[in-house]
Amino acid sequence: AQSVTQLDSHVSVSEGTPVLLRCNYSSSYSPSLFWYVQHPNKGLQLLLKYTSAATLVKGINGFEAEFKKSETSFHLTKPSAHMSDAAEYFCVVSGGSQGNLIFGKGTKLSVKP
Amino acid sequence: DTGVSQDPRHKITKRGQNVTFRCDPISEHNRLYWYRQTLGQGPEFLTYFQNEAQLEKSRLLSDRFSAERPKGSFSTLEIQRTEQGDSAMYLCASSLTLGGNTIYFGEGSWLTVV
Repeated sequence: AQSVTQLDSHVSVSEGTPVLLRCNYSSSYSPSLFWYVQHPNKGLQLLLKYTSAATLVKGINGFEAEFKKSETSFHLTKPSAHMSDAAEYFCVVSGGSQGNLIFGKGTKLSVKP
Repeated sequence: DTGVSQDPRHKITKRGQNVTFRCDPISEHNRLYWYRQTLGQGPEFLTYFQNEAQLEKSRLLSDRFSAERPKGSFSTLEIQRTEQGDSAMYLCASSLTLGGNTIYFGEGSWLTVV
């Protein structure tokens, strides 16, 4: 069965400092992995996705993630946080069926001025 | 705006009443999904359609829940005899059929059962 574990429920950084949101996955086959962001009272927006191409995936708004099979990790990073990055971030793995995405519990990112 | 739209955005209902949510997907998308998100949790898959066919249902979708997509365009999610545990945000999403395509989410419909 597929699953994801987001290792931090809340991360707080200062504006201009790097962001690291950690995600480990479990999958019985080569997974498709995603990061989605959810701003308050807004829908989910795709940041980036990994589908067995390059292991370093670049997304929108300066975010990127690296797929590490040996560590079963897919951590999300950004070199310099902006106030507008404050939101909930979800690590997601494809569930194997053609419709089922499995979400982690989310990491709330706070950005201090 | 040509994204996924959901209606109503907020619904407060009394326990035992029926509620219905509507989702309009992105126009060329033939796949449509429903997810449920409770406070402090990530979204959980409920069901999905390809065109008008409902191809998969989660065990979370009890017999009080029914989803339809009669003409392969918009979809409805009905909850009968609502319970307080049904209070959640119901998210609709859509995508193209081809594998690896991005799933686009709507802003969700909040349900509060009192």
